[in-house]
Amino acid sequence: AQSVSQHNHHVILSEAASLELGCNYSYGGTVNLFWYVQYPGQHLQLLLKYFSGDPLVKGIKGFEAEFIKSKFSFNLRKPSVQWSDTAEYLCAVTPKGTGRRALTFGSGTRLQVQP
Amino acid sequence: NAGVTQTPKFQVLKTGQSMTLQCAQDMNHEYMSWYRQDPGMGLRLIHYSVGAGITDQGEVPNGYNVSRSTTEDFPLRLLSAAPSQTSVYFCASSYSGTGLDGYTFGSGTRLTVV
Repeated sequence: AQSVSQHNHHVILSEAASLELGCNYSYGGTVNLFWYVQYPGQHLQLLLKYFSGDPLVKGIKGFEAEFIKSKFSFNLRKPSVQWSDTAEYLCAVTPKGTGRRALTFGSGTRLQVQP
Repeated sequence: NAGVTQTPKFQVLKTGQSMTLQCAQDMNHEYMSWYRQDPGMGLRLIHYSVGAGITDQGEVPNGYNVSRSTTEDFPLRLLSAAPSQTSVYFCASSYSGTGLDGYTFGSGTRLTVV
């Protein structure tokens, strides 16, 4: 079965700082990759997703992520964070072929942006 | 409005009590799943279903039962609640299960077991 690792559990940044959150996955086949965000007290919201093609994908709110197949990684980046980016960020995968047809999430990264 | 509806939103149980968390969707999605969210652990998959009559276990299935008698409903049953089941529970649905068409999440059920 697939698994996802997020090694940054809690990140504190000042406004305007650059952000990079790590995500690595483990699976015997190919996967689809996702980043979700959960603002305090709100639903999960899709930031971006990668299925195929250009490994650099752009999402909402200025976020982007790069899929590096050789490293099994899908790191999330933003050049300049804002206080409103304070949230929980979750990386997730689904298998492309056979396998568990449900999102498998990492443990999440809590981002705190200080004004 | 189309979407995933979870009930109840909040629940307090005593240890050993049973209850069912309801999840319903009106989008004709084949794939439905249940997650629990705990601090520092992200969302962990409890059970999932790829269609009516078909269910399978996720990462943390112990203590939970599911059934899928219709496409629309996917209830989660706690047979004998334990304090370790205190969590926020989310139901999600998808047409294909791959995420290509997106996943829709419910608003969650916050369960406390005392």
